[in-house]
Amino acid sequence: ETAVFQTPNYHVTQVGNEVSFNCKQTLGHDTMYWYKQDSKKLLKIMFSYNNKQLIVNETVPRRFSPQSSDKAHLNLRIKSVEPEDSAVYLCASRDRYEQYFGPGTRLTVL
Amino acid sequence: DAKTTQPDSMESTEGETVHLPCSHATISGNEYIYWYRQVPLQGPEYVTHGLQQNTTNSMAFLAIASDRKSSTLILPHVSLRDAAVYHCILRVDQTGFASALTFGSGTKVIPCLP
Repeated sequence: ETAVFQTPNYHVTQVGNEVSFNCKQTLGHDTMYWYKQDSKKLLKIMFSYNNKQLIVNETVPRRFSPQSSDKAHLNLRIKSVEPEDSAVYLCASRDRYEQYFGPGTRLTVL
Repeated sequence: DAKTTQPDSMESTEGETVHLPCSHATISGNEYIYWYRQVPLQGPEYVTHGLQQNTTNSMAFLAIASDRKSSTLILPHVSLRDAAVYHCILRVDQTGFASALTFGSGTKVIPCLP
């Protein structure tokens, strides 16, 4: 049963364009995340959002920015994409023990 | 979080039991052992977790060594639906950013027909 929704599923764009990805969770959790998963399936945290507190992984380039309207939504905007941004972007929310992931958005930058 | 070591892949046959090893020799006393799995084109899915005692749920049995330096995820009667990459990670029970996950490459399980 899907409880973390992401749109779009896929996105192909060109270098320099701006893209936005949406994430919504219906689990009532207070904490949400954005992860980046590369072609080798390595998972790296990008952002955490908890009770209106945003924590940023300092290695994330500034062209990435999260946007949240309420605790159920955490969107991701990338200004001026670059080829190395091609990856799967995974949104997740958590309770105390588990993290629940969305299906991911697959970004290809040409 | 401390590092874990897993084999790249594990052979298996449908209907049999699969044992997935994970080595975590430098685990700290407050670190939990978590297992997630991921099938292609989907996000990771929680499987189980434990601290010291063995645990079991509908998906798997987690056997934790007495010194906690290794663990084994046991998948009974594996089926094609269990085909996935299984990730063993260590986490401290914290909130917010500190609870974020970090995956390595994991162990690929692809059950073969008998």
